[in-house]
Amino acid sequence: SQQGEEDPQALSIQEGENATMNCSYKTSINNLQWYRQNSGRGLVHLILIRSNEREKHSGRLRVTLDTSKKSSSLLITASRAADTASYFCATVPNTGFQKLVFGTGTRLLVSP
Amino acid sequence: NAGVMQNPRHLVRRRGQEARLRCSPVKGHSHVYWYRQLPEEGLKFMVYLQKENIIDESGMPKERFSAEFPKEGPSILRIQQVVRGDSAAYFCASSPTGATNEKLFFGSGTQLSVL
Repeated sequence: SQQGEEDPQALSIQEGENATMNCSYKTSINNLQWYRQNSGRGLVHLILIRSNEREKHSGRLRVTLDTSKKSSSLLITASRAADTASYFCATVPNTGFQKLVFGTGTRLLVSP
Repeated sequence: NAGVMQNPRHLVRRRGQEARLRCSPVKGHSHVYWYRQLPEEGLKFMVYLQKENIIDESGMPKERFSAEFPKEGPSILRIQQVVRGDSAAYFCASSPTGATNEKLFFGSGTQLSVL
């Protein structure tokens, strides 16, 4: 299977703390994306990092990419209860078109 | 601006019946993708369509499943003779040009339950 793995599977923190999620993948990629899914809903795109980039920021989000280790991390700083959701990484392989390969996801619970 | 619209939101079918899932992409998007999600798992790619053409159907079972995206109207994912194993959430996504560095816009999904 080409599906990536995410670690941890579940994470429980208090509001104000930082949350770090890791993603590993198996094939060479064009880019890696992170998505959020609230319970029972569709996915919302958070951030995209290209294979030639090492770090990217968007608001309280920081994403890193290490192509030599085939891994990425998502850091959410100063978490809020509204950040409670499942977070998925998705890779786009070098196939010439958009075809996301999703990881297994991290369920984040932020308690007030 | 309407996002990706999927209907129905929930669909219940008995074994052997047909399921039709509809997806209207973001206005102006001509690229549609279907994904399936089993409980506690990530999404798995099924099929990628561009208006009137199937670009990649490598993730879709060869039997009982078909997809179309006609010139006019929504994209349809059709499952014939459903079985219990087809129970899952089916998500549709769209993008403007299909370029690899574009984000996808996802619908809220159709939860298919097969009794």
